[in-house]
Amino acid sequence: EADIYQTPRYLVIGTGKKITLECSQTMGHDKMYWYQQDPGMELHLIHYSYGVNSTEKGDLSSESTVSRIRTEHFPLTLESARPSHTSQYLCASSEYTGWETQYFGPGTRLLVL
Amino acid sequence: GENVEQHPSTLSVQEGDSAVIKCTYSDSASNYFPWYKQELGKRPQLIIDIRSNVGEKKDQRIAVTLNKTAKHFSLHITETQPEDSAVYFCAASENAGNMLTFGGGTRLMVKP
Repeated sequence: EADIYQTPRYLVIGTGKKITLECSQTMGHDKMYWYQQDPGMELHLIHYSYGVNSTEKGDLSSESTVSRIRTEHFPLTLESARPSHTSQYLCASSEYTGWETQYFGPGTRLLVL
Repeated sequence: GENVEQHPSTLSVQEGDSAVIKCTYSDSASNYFPWYKQELGKRPQLIIDIRSNVGEKKDQRIAVTLNKTAKHFSLHITETQPEDSAVYFCAASENAGNMLTFGGGTRLMVKP
């Protein structure tokens, strides 16, 4: 079934650790996005990609980095996690042309101690 | 760039009543306006969208209206049910590759 998958779903980690949040989609979409969201609060765009080898920073400044080596895969990395990074991270994808209907993954809840 | 304002931030209604959430946008070039529903602990999901060539769209108990002149659009939910309780987000964008700009969200609580 075409969908967007995120792993892990929950992560508790200590300060200073390097983490990678995985996002994969089988929708065949070119565009992918990462949002940061405190539960039930506003969605903040932190990174997006138009396709392979394309990455852009979003509206919200973030210390994370992303890569897009394969169309279906858009991982997000934090080199040194801090308590201020505690949040939910949502991955999304959409087609490149036409209307911008975005489909969201289930999210990763990150807690940095 | 685009700016989307959403009101109210919280809305409490009695089961069976109607709920209305309003959004205004700043960029007159925007022509696509989706609404997302996010239930507690779940991902945002598209529930309805409208394009600028249409003034109103309905899907069962939900409807969206668009006033391009005034640059605002609204979500209407009739005969609300407890399962309508969620956070609702409006958004706006131009087509063909532009970003969605989201509103700040409305927490809707439907009291049984």
